[in-house]
Amino acid sequence: QKEVEQNSGPLSVPEGAIASLNCTYSDRGSQSFFWYRQYSGKSPELIMSIYSNGDKEDGRFTAQLNKASQYVSLLIRDSQPSDSATYLCAGGSNDYKLSFGAGTTVTVRA
Amino acid sequence: DADVTQTPRNRITKTGKRIMLECSQTKGHDRMYWYRQDPGLGLRLIYYSFDVKDINKGEISDGYSVSRQAQAKFSLSLESAIPNQTALYFCATEGHRLDYEQYFGPGTRLTVT
Repeated sequence: QKEVEQNSGPLSVPEGAIASLNCTYSDRGSQSFFWYRQYSGKSPELIMSIYSNGDKEDGRFTAQLNKASQYVSLLIRDSQPSDSATYLCAGGSNDYKLSFGAGTTVTVRA
Repeated sequence: DADVTQTPRNRITKTGKRIMLECSQTKGHDRMYWYRQDPGLGLRLIYYSFDVKDINKGEISDGYSVSRQAQAKFSLSLESAIPNQTALYFCATEGHRLDYEQYFGPGTRLTVT
């Protein structure tokens, strides 16, 4: 079983809508979680990090963490065509390594 | 200039050839990582290094070797390339011990025929 699982998608949303991406993890030792955005043919780019239960907002992005349910999510509000990309969820545990999900591809329709 | 650079950016090689992928960084980070990315499988860790004298295997190290020549340089070698090593390879760096925030190079697209 993969340590980090993402809803496989692809996800298509209209411009201006909310895109919701979900991620679950199996390692209860994971303490830190990250969302990376990857445009086609480009390298992953860190967009959000979250370490504590609850919500963390940064501009149009909100990350949510629930350690009891082993669940991480990313909301993209007011989605723009420039948000069209693959989003990778990653979890870091005590061995100082990141485990990545397979990614969810988001397409924002103009 | 980019903080993390990789060379070459694209490479086509034949089965059985030895190939080296290089990574350099100007971020001053101690930790460096090599990943490969395949469609539908996400990023998988090949090797990682916490400093020049510390090299560790990742989840898919078979068929690969690495060298950490300096804090800023971390090379990945395929001793005898095979077609299923065709993939996109990324180098990443990480600075703060507790953050796990990694910064990726632009990637090397490797094709083994």
